[in-house]
Amino acid sequence: TQLLEQSPQFLSIQEGENLTVYCNSSSVFSSLQWYRQEPGEGPVLLVTVVTGGEVKKLKRLTFQFGDARKDSSLHITAAQTGDTGLYLCAGPTGTASKLTFGTGTRLQVTL
Amino acid sequence: NAGVTQTPKFRVLKTGQSMTLLCAQDMNHEYMYWYRQDPGMGLRLIHYSVGEGTTAKGEVPDGYNVSRLKKQNFLLGLESAAPSQTSVYFCASRPTGVHGYTFGSGTRLTVV
Repeated sequence: TQLLEQSPQFLSIQEGENLTVYCNSSSVFSSLQWYRQEPGEGPVLLVTVVTGGEVKKLKRLTFQFGDARKDSSLHITAAQTGDTGLYLCAGPTGTASKLTFGTGTRLQVTL
Repeated sequence: NAGVTQTPKFRVLKTGQSMTLLCAQDMNHEYMYWYRQDPGMGLRLIHYSVGEGTTAKGEVPDGYNVSRLKKQNFLLGLESAAPSQTSVYFCASRPTGVHGYTFGSGTRLTVV
């Protein structure tokens, strides 16, 4: 079983601060995805990274896929209260590209 | 709006009762999945389907059954509910290729 470990589990910061969330595995993934989940809702896809070393930017969010495709990071610049939520990384395993999810990082951004 | 619709949104069952959770998608996606989400456990795959008429077991299939008679619908059944099945259930779908999942908004199930 390919496991994805996320750190930190919880993060509470003030608006305007920067933060980085990590997603690590001992296994190689063909791609990794990041989702954000708000209370009472299902996860929503933010980005898919496919190539080792790839960097993708989504406004204030920067996603990086490790060179060896075993890890990924999400960096948020100047966090806003709207960034509050549960951030999940996920990678395909086995046939049918079943996604294995990390346990998530719960981010709280306060004024 | 296009997407994944789950019904019901909330349900309380007594131990031993049965129920069916319905997932419907209108995006013509081939793949559909049922996950459960529990505190500290993340999202765990229950069953999935790679196309109409097919189903397969995921990581935690015991106590659940599924059916996909029509491409757009994926049903999750609990034949005899147990308190350990108290959870939030999410359905997801995706097209073929490297694509992310589209999730429904979940069903919160409590078994007492």
